[in-house]
Amino acid sequence: DSGVTQTPKHLITATGQRVTLRCSPRSGDLSVYWYQQSLDQGLQFLIQYYNGEERAKGNILERFSAQQFPDLHSELNLSSLELGDSALYFCASSVREGAGLGSPLHFGNGTRLTVT
Amino acid sequence: QQQVKQSPQSLIVQKGGISIINCAYENTAFDYFPWYQQFPGKGPALLIAIRPDVSEKKEGRFTISFNKSAKQFSLHIMDSQPGDSATYFCAASRLGAQKLVFGQGTRLTINP
Repeated sequence: DSGVTQTPKHLITATGQRVTLRCSPRSGDLSVYWYQQSLDQGLQFLIQYYNGEERAKGNILERFSAQQFPDLHSELNLSSLELGDSALYFCASSVREGAGLGSPLHFGNGTRLTVT
Repeated sequence: QQQVKQSPQSLIVQKGGISIINCAYENTAFDYFPWYQQFPGKGPALLIAIRPDVSEKKEGRFTISFNKSAKQFSLHIMDSQPGDSATYFCAASRLGAQKLVFGQGTRLTINP
């Protein structure tokens, strides 16, 4: 068990809808990262927060947004959903602002989003 | 510059054999190279990691070999077991960067 908790495990929704994915980082970790995993794209970095502040953005669509709250949990909001948004969404956390030997990324078990 | 290329996409090894997965990178600023193991329905889990100032790191049956001049690193799994069947990802990041850049993954199957 990595200590990173993601809810829900599964989400099935229709095109055009909006969903919220939730992540609780490991105790003591200040950084939260969101990754998208689809069959043909591997693990794609979306966005990172450190202690409540956005620190880095990757290939995140404008329809997607995220935030990290004072208790350090994070939410990823996906709106105007399209079929192509169907994927596994992973949250990871680390103790420091970036990944390194002393600050490895620990991943949750993901939320599987299916858009129909 | 930010890519990490991983090969092969899939690999089948007999029980007791050696599994070898290779990765290549372009960005010479990368200074952290972890490998992750992912089982179906689970998130990636850190397996082993290395910095470029060492050429090899071994943890149990898992070894990372690092060739800085060739900008390549590989994962060797000795005495491969059916329980090692999973998808393996290499990754890289550089000091001060916030994200890990992942390879495309290798689906490893160990035949009993």
